[in-house]
Amino acid sequence: GAVVSQHPSRVICKSGTSVKIECRSLDFQATTMFWYRQFPKQSLMLMATSNEGSKATYEQGVEKDKFLINHASLTLSTLTVTSAHPEDSSFYICSASRVEGGRPLHFGNGTRLTVT
Amino acid sequence: GESVGLHLPTLSVQEGDNSIINCAYSNSASDYFIWYKQESGKGPQFIIDIRSNMDKRQGQRVTVLLNKTVKHLSLQIAATQPGDSAVYFCAAKEGNEKLTFGTGTRLTIIP
Repeated sequence: GAVVSQHPSRVICKSGTSVKIECRSLDFQATTMFWYRQFPKQSLMLMATSNEGSKATYEQGVEKDKFLINHASLTLSTLTVTSAHPEDSSFYICSASRVEGGRPLHFGNGTRLTVT
Repeated sequence: GESVGLHLPTLSVQEGDNSIINCAYSNSASDYFIWYKQESGKGPQFIIDIRSNMDKRQGQRVTVLLNKTVKHLSLQIAATQPGDSAVYFCAAKEGNEKLTFGTGTRLTIIP
């Protein structure tokens, strides 16, 4: 089946530093990738949607200059949390779809970010 | 916009029994629904989906029922196993709009 790999699974960083999270589709070409954020015991909140080769579409309230998304190839998308602060600590999850505008059916295993 | 909620935040079921997880949605124009399973520390896993032109769909040990009249969705898991313990999310969308996730129900299977 379709596999989405997300790396790293856990990262701890200091305030003010930047962290990059990678999301790879291992056995299919992901035309569309989705980035979510999940707080403890809460649901997934969509942060942005990216299509390969074009700029990401950010949800209302998500700072595009803080959460940089790059989807340069059909198998890789990255989310960079810039100048991280403790309130950015969360579980970040990516998802991929074969079809542009398709449904997020295949998820990565998430990245637990802790900012100290 | 769409809001999706779940009737119960937690559910405990005896191993081997059937479980039913319920979900309500607000947007009557929602036309696609998905159930996901999320185990601790992992990303969601697709379980089953259903379109609004259907009212029932079955998978392996799972059945999704859709009642558009009352905007209600349910996931039935037959003969539950310990591995079914997880948080279950429903999600809904209208056309090309984004998926909206519910808050999740934690299902615990009691041995």
